[in-house]
Amino acid sequence: GEDVEQSLFLSVREGDSSVINCTYTDSSSTYLYWYKQEPGAGLQLLTYIFSNMDMKQDQRLTVLLNKKDKHLSLRIADTQTGDSAIYFCAESNSNYQLIWGAGTKLIIKP
Amino acid sequence: EAGVVQSPRYKIIEKKQPVAFWCNPISGHNTLYWYRQNLGQGPELLIRYENEEAVDDSQLPKDRFSAERLKGVDSTLKIQPAELGDSAVYLCASSLDGPTILFGPGTRLTVL
Repeated sequence: GEDVEQSLFLSVREGDSSVINCTYTDSSSTYLYWYKQEPGAGLQLLTYIFSNMDMKQDQRLTVLLNKKDKHLSLRIADTQTGDSAIYFCAESNSNYQLIWGAGTKLIIKP
Repeated sequence: EAGVVQSPRYKIIEKKQPVAFWCNPISGHNTLYWYRQNLGQGPELLIRYENEEAVDDSQLPKDRFSAERLKGVDSTLKIQPAELGDSAVYLCASSLDGPTILFGPGTRLTVL
């Protein structure tokens, strides 16, 4: 079946760029998503990218999609302490049925 | 604009007791989702509604879980009876005919 994989942890220094990676298996994915979850909170939609795009930028966030390798990444420029959270990658089909990764915990070092 | 509203935020019950969660989606959103999130994992879909119709309930454990969305707006998810393994965060999400799927804060259920 479909699968989405992410590293469990990423540690970066404050002010550096963070790059969170995700791989997926479903070649028919229509949309790919990044959500942010802070402790005790729900899931905040950060951004999504349509599968026929290879890049999307929104302020400090840059999403890169390599459809051939089924690889998605989220780059956070100038990482701040407020970026500490768990970041979930998800893929969906044309009916917006989401398949989720287990999340990457972003740890910010001062 | 108000986001997805869920209540209660926290619930502690003993096993074998019933429990219900309520969700009010974003105004005008026709699609409503219930997800369950276990600790350290991504969410898993329980049920998806298009207006009043449950269009995907294949992952809903129907022996003890039930859901309804009577007027195509608010929804209730019920567990009866609850088991220890039901402890999780129950998330409601909504969308309007598109890829923007927005989540509520969730209800954290602890079954003792």
